[in-house]
Amino acid sequence: KAGVTQTPRYLIKTRGQQVTLSCSPISGHRSVSWYQQTPGQGLQFLFEYFSETQRNKGNFPGRFSGRQFSNSRSEMNVSTLELGDSALYLCASSSRQSSYNEQFFGPGTRLTVL
Amino acid sequence: GDSVTQMEGPVTLSEEAFLTINCTYTATGYPSLFWYVQYPGEGLQLLLKATKADDKGSNKGFEATYRKETTSFHLEKGSVQVSDSAVYFCALVDAGNNRKLIWGLGTSLAVNP
Repeated sequence: KAGVTQTPRYLIKTRGQQVTLSCSPISGHRSVSWYQQTPGQGLQFLFEYFSETQRNKGNFPGRFSGRQFSNSRSEMNVSTLELGDSALYLCASSSRQSSYNEQFFGPGTRLTVL
Repeated sequence: GDSVTQMEGPVTLSEEAFLTINCTYTATGYPSLFWYVQYPGEGLQLLLKATKADDKGSNKGFEATYRKETTSFHLEKGSVQVSDSAVYFCALVDAGNNRKLIWGLGTSLAVNP
């Protein structure tokens, strides 16, 4: 079974631009979560989608948004980029059939904002 | 709110040394506890888990026991290898908190030959 894939793997943008990141979950998984990982803050939860609906949201400004499609693929968008948005963005999928909420992570998209 | 506290790294060990990475938590309910590992350049992988008090999770020679009385879930390995060099994350999910994973900040481990 193929794992979680994320595209692109690396991105370089400048302040003020916007960016869209993509995540394809494991086949059959309907839940997709997004995280921001930085050296100082660790893993910060962005949001979770299940069956095209946002189920949970972290404490990020409205510049961060996401969506999920009917095939469970998900995208997240960051508008008006700031230097502090430079981070590794991780996507994770789960089946939601397990009460353990085990998540399977993709390799991440490394975003650099100049 | 719920939180996870891990010992700060980096931790540097020689091959075959004993490893302990401390993790303590606060939670209002009865959480499930996890250790994830992130190898260089990769995403996180589930290493082991425990879902109730006194459960012991184990995988690849790593172990952690869910201690409700001390609210801890320390990760241990008897003999580390160079290939264990990675960042280790402790996490919890509280069924009463919309099943959202709460993460520690991670502990970097470097094992020297």
